[in-house]
Amino acid sequence: DAKTTQPTSMDCAEGRAANLPCNHSTISGNEYVYWYRQIHSQGPQYIIHGLKNNETNEMASLIITEDRKSSTLILPHATLRDTAVYYCIVRVGVFGNEKLTFGTGTRLTIIP
Amino acid sequence: DAGVTQSPTHLIKTRGQQVTLRCSPKSGHDTVSWYQQALGQGPQFIFQYYEEEERQRGNFPDRFSGHQFPNYSSELNVNALLLGDSALYLCASTEGTSGYEQYFGPGTRLTVT
Repeated sequence: DAKTTQPTSMDCAEGRAANLPCNHSTISGNEYVYWYRQIHSQGPQYIIHGLKNNETNEMASLIITEDRKSSTLILPHATLRDTAVYYCIVRVGVFGNEKLTFGTGTRLTIIP
Repeated sequence: DAGVTQSPTHLIKTRGQQVTLRCSPKSGHDTVSWYQQALGQGPQFIFQYYEEEERQRGNFPDRFSGHQFPNYSSELNVNALLLGDSALYLCASTEGTSGYEQYFGPGTRLTVT
Protein backbone atom coordinates (compact mmCIF):
# COMPACT_ATOMS: atom_id res chain seq x y z
CA ASP A 1 0.00 0.00 0.00
CA ALA A 2 1.16 3.53 -0.79
CA LYS A 3 2.58 5.63 2.02
CA THR A 4 0.79 8.81 3.03
CA THR A 5 2.05 12.04 4.57
CA GLN A 6 -0.13 14.22 6.78
CA PRO A 7 0.57 17.22 9.02
CA THR A 8 0.97 16.23 12.64
CA SER A 9 -1.60 18.69 13.93
CA MET A 10 -4.02 21.41 12.86
CA ASP A 11 -6.40 23.84 14.51
CA CYS A 12 -9.70 25.10 13.11
CA ALA A 13 -12.24 27.57 14.48
CA GLU A 14 -15.66 26.18 15.29
CA GLY A 15 -18.11 26.75 12.45
CA ARG A 16 -15.40 27.14 9.84
CA ALA A 17 -14.43 24.57 7.21
CA ALA A 18 -11.61 22.25 8.25
CA ASN A 19 -9.34 21.26 5.36
CA LEU A 20 -7.07 18.32 6.06
CA PRO A 21 -4.40 17.60 3.44
CA CYS A 22 -2.84 14.26 2.60
CA ASN A 23 0.04 13.53 0.27
CA HIS A 24 0.17 10.12 -1.45
CA SER A 25 2.57 10.74 -4.30
CA THR A 26 3.31 7.03 -4.88
CA ILE A 27 -0.31 5.97 -5.21
CA SER A 28 -1.06 3.34 -7.84
CA GLY A 29 -3.93 3.39 -10.28
CA ASN A 30 -5.89 0.73 -8.41
CA GLU A 31 -5.48 2.23 -4.95
CA TYR A 32 -8.27 4.03 -3.15
CA VAL A 33 -7.99 6.93 -0.70
CA TYR A 34 -9.78 6.34 2.59
CA TRP A 35 -10.28 8.64 5.56
CA TYR A 36 -10.99 7.47 9.09
CA ARG A 37 -11.03 9.44 12.31
CA GLN A 38 -10.50 8.48 15.92
CA ILE A 39 -12.09 10.46 18.68
CA HIS A 40 -10.33 10.14 22.01
CA SER A 41 -10.91 6.78 23.74
CA GLN A 42 -12.94 5.40 20.83
CA GLY A 43 -12.24 3.11 17.88
CA PRO A 44 -11.62 4.63 14.46
CA GLN A 45 -14.66 5.67 12.44
CA TYR A 46 -14.98 5.57 8.67
CA ILE A 47 -15.55 8.95 7.03
CA ILE A 48 -15.30 8.68 3.28
CA HIS A 49 -13.36 7.09 0.43
CA GLY A 50 -12.68 7.72 -3.25
CA LEU A 51 -10.70 6.58 -6.28
CA LYS A 52 -10.31 9.62 -8.53
CA ASN A 53 -13.53 11.59 -8.46
CA ASN A 54 -14.48 14.00 -5.73
CA GLU A 55 -16.85 12.48 -3.20
CA THR A 56 -19.30 13.92 -0.71
CA ASN A 57 -21.40 12.37 2.02
CA GLU A 58 -23.19 13.59 5.11
CA MET A 59 -19.96 13.86 7.06
CA ALA A 60 -17.43 15.33 4.67
CA SER A 61 -16.13 15.95 1.17
CA LEU A 62 -13.07 14.37 -0.39
CA ILE A 63 -11.17 16.26 -3.07
CA ILE A 64 -8.59 14.22 -4.99
CA THR A 65 -6.19 16.03 -7.33
CA GLU A 66 -6.24 15.10 -11.00
CA ASP A 67 -2.86 13.34 -10.75
CA ARG A 68 -4.12 11.58 -7.59
CA LYS A 69 -0.92 12.41 -5.72
CA SER A 70 -2.73 14.30 -3.00
CA SER A 71 -6.17 14.78 -1.50
CA THR A 72 -8.01 16.99 0.95
CA LEU A 73 -10.70 16.04 3.42
CA ILE A 74 -13.13 18.87 4.05
CA LEU A 75 -15.37 19.12 7.09
CA PRO A 76 -17.67 21.95 5.97
CA HIS A 77 -18.79 23.33 9.33
CA ALA A 78 -16.54 22.02 12.05
CA THR A 79 -17.95 21.47 15.53
CA LEU A 80 -16.21 20.67 18.80
CA ARG A 81 -17.20 17.02 18.29
CA ASP A 82 -14.96 16.92 15.23
CA THR A 83 -11.87 17.17 17.44
CA ALA A 84 -10.08 13.90 16.67
CA VAL A 85 -7.12 12.26 14.96
CA TYR A 86 -7.77 11.96 11.22
CA TYR A 87 -6.10 9.19 9.23
CA CYS A 88 -5.59 9.22 5.49
CA ILE A 89 -5.12 5.67 4.18
CA VAL A 90 -4.35 4.44 0.70
CA ARG A 91 -5.00 0.83 -0.15
CA VAL A 92 -5.74 -1.58 -2.93
CA GLY A 93 -9.33 -2.64 -3.14
CA VAL A 94 -12.49 -0.95 -2.06
CA PHE A 95 -13.89 -3.69 0.13
CA GLY A 96 -13.64 -3.74 3.88
CA ASN A 97 -12.00 -7.13 3.93
CA GLU A 98 -8.73 -5.51 2.93
CA LYS A 99 -6.48 -4.49 5.81
CA LEU A 100 -6.05 -0.85 6.75
CA THR A 101 -2.52 0.54 7.14
CA PHE A 102 -2.69 3.52 9.49
CA GLY A 103 -0.02 6.21 9.82
CA THR A 104 0.12 8.63 12.73
CA GLY A 105 -2.59 10.90 11.29
CA THR A 106 -3.42 14.57 11.85
CA ARG A 107 -4.62 15.68 15.25
CA LEU A 108 -7.38 18.21 14.51
CA THR A 109 -8.43 20.52 17.32
CA ILE A 110 -11.57 22.59 16.91
CA ILE A 111 -11.27 25.88 18.77
CA PRO A 112 -14.45 27.40 20.30
CA ASP B 1 -27.93 -2.87 16.52
CA ALA B 2 -25.20 -2.99 19.19
CA GLY B 3 -22.34 -2.46 16.77
CA VAL B 4 -18.98 -4.06 17.44
CA THR B 5 -18.50 -5.00 21.08
CA GLN B 6 -15.29 -5.98 22.85
CA SER B 7 -14.52 -7.40 26.25
CA PRO B 8 -13.06 -6.74 28.65
CA THR B 9 -12.70 -2.96 28.57
CA HIS B 10 -9.48 -2.92 30.56
CA LEU B 11 -7.08 -5.64 31.60
CA ILE B 12 -3.88 -5.75 33.63
CA LYS B 13 -1.53 -8.70 33.22
CA THR B 14 1.98 -9.61 34.31
CA ARG B 15 4.90 -10.34 31.98
CA GLY B 16 4.89 -13.93 30.81
CA GLN B 17 1.19 -14.43 31.30
CA GLN B 18 -1.35 -15.17 28.59
CA VAL B 19 -4.41 -13.12 27.69
CA THR B 20 -7.60 -13.62 25.67
CA LEU B 21 -9.58 -10.73 24.26
CA ARG B 22 -13.05 -11.10 22.77
CA CYS B 23 -14.97 -9.42 19.98
CA SER B 24 -18.53 -9.64 18.71
CA PRO B 25 -18.95 -8.20 15.22
CA LYS B 26 -21.72 -5.93 14.05
CA SER B 27 -24.87 -7.80 13.10
CA GLY B 28 -24.61 -9.20 9.57
CA HIS B 29 -20.81 -8.97 9.45
CA ASP B 30 -18.76 -12.09 8.90
CA THR B 31 -15.19 -10.75 8.74
CA VAL B 32 -13.24 -9.69 11.81
CA SER B 33 -9.90 -7.89 11.92
CA TRP B 34 -7.71 -7.17 14.92
CA TYR B 35 -5.44 -4.15 15.36
CA GLN B 36 -2.94 -3.10 18.02
CA GLN B 37 -2.60 0.58 18.86
CA ALA B 38 0.33 1.69 20.98
CA LEU B 39 0.10 5.04 22.74
CA GLY B 40 0.48 7.91 20.29
CA GLN B 41 0.55 5.65 17.24
CA GLY B 42 -1.97 4.62 14.62
CA PRO B 43 -3.50 1.14 14.78
CA GLN B 44 -1.38 -1.67 13.37
CA PHE B 45 -3.02 -4.64 11.63
CA ILE B 46 -2.55 -7.97 13.41
CA PHE B 47 -4.72 -10.40 11.42
CA GLN B 48 -8.11 -10.97 9.88
CA TYR B 49 -10.55 -13.87 10.14
CA TYR B 50 -13.17 -14.94 7.63
CA GLU B 51 -15.11 -18.22 7.60
CA GLU B 52 -13.23 -19.27 10.74
CA GLU B 53 -9.87 -19.07 8.95
CA GLU B 54 -7.04 -16.57 9.27
CA ARG B 55 -7.03 -14.86 5.90
CA GLN B 56 -4.42 -12.12 6.29
CA ARG B 57 -1.71 -11.49 8.84
CA GLY B 58 0.37 -8.47 9.66
CA ASN B 59 3.91 -8.38 10.99
CA PHE B 60 3.25 -9.87 14.42
CA PRO B 61 4.96 -12.86 16.06
CA ASP B 62 3.32 -16.23 16.54
CA ARG B 63 2.63 -15.29 20.17
CA PHE B 64 -0.40 -13.56 18.69
CA SER B 65 -3.07 -16.00 17.61
CA GLY B 66 -6.76 -15.88 17.04
CA HIS B 67 -9.92 -17.75 16.46
CA GLN B 68 -13.27 -17.13 14.85
CA PHE B 69 -16.37 -18.98 15.91
CA PRO B 70 -19.32 -20.10 13.76
CA ASN B 71 -21.33 -17.10 14.99
CA TYR B 72 -18.52 -14.86 13.60
CA SER B 73 -17.34 -13.69 17.02
CA SER B 74 -13.59 -13.77 17.51
CA GLU B 75 -10.87 -14.07 20.10
CA LEU B 76 -7.35 -12.69 20.15
CA ASN B 77 -4.84 -14.62 22.24
CA VAL B 78 -1.43 -13.33 23.23
CA ASN B 79 1.05 -15.68 24.93
CA ALA B 80 4.18 -14.89 26.92
CA LEU B 81 3.22 -11.26 27.38
CA LEU B 82 5.92 -8.61 27.09
CA LEU B 83 5.85 -5.06 28.42
CA GLY B 84 5.70 -3.91 24.79
CA ASP B 85 2.38 -5.65 24.32
CA SER B 86 0.73 -2.93 26.40
CA ALA B 87 -1.65 -1.23 23.99
CA LEU B 88 -5.24 -0.69 22.93
CA TYR B 89 -6.47 -3.71 21.01
CA LEU B 90 -9.14 -2.91 18.47
CA CYS B 91 -11.51 -5.23 16.70
CA ALA B 92 -13.14 -4.27 13.41
CA SER B 93 -15.83 -6.06 11.45
CA THR B 94 -17.02 -5.85 7.89
CA GLU B 95 -19.46 -7.56 5.59
CA GLY B 96 -17.52 -10.17 3.65
CA THR B 97 -16.57 -9.05 0.20
CA SER B 98 -19.29 -6.47 -0.27
CA GLY B 99 -18.84 -3.97 2.54
CA TYR B 100 -16.30 -1.19 2.00
CA GLU B 101 -16.23 0.11 5.54
CA GLN B 102 -14.65 -1.43 8.61
CA TYR B 103 -16.59 -0.83 11.83
CA PHE B 104 -14.41 -0.62 14.92
CA GLY B 105 -15.21 -1.50 18.48
CA PRO B 106 -14.14 0.66 21.44
CA GLY B 107 -11.12 -1.52 22.11
CA THR B 108 -9.59 -3.35 25.07
CA ARG B 109 -6.85 -1.52 26.96
CA LEU B 110 -4.18 -4.07 27.95
CA THR B 111 -1.51 -3.12 30.47
CA VAL B 112 1.39 -5.50 31.03
CA THR B 113 3.40 -4.93 34.21
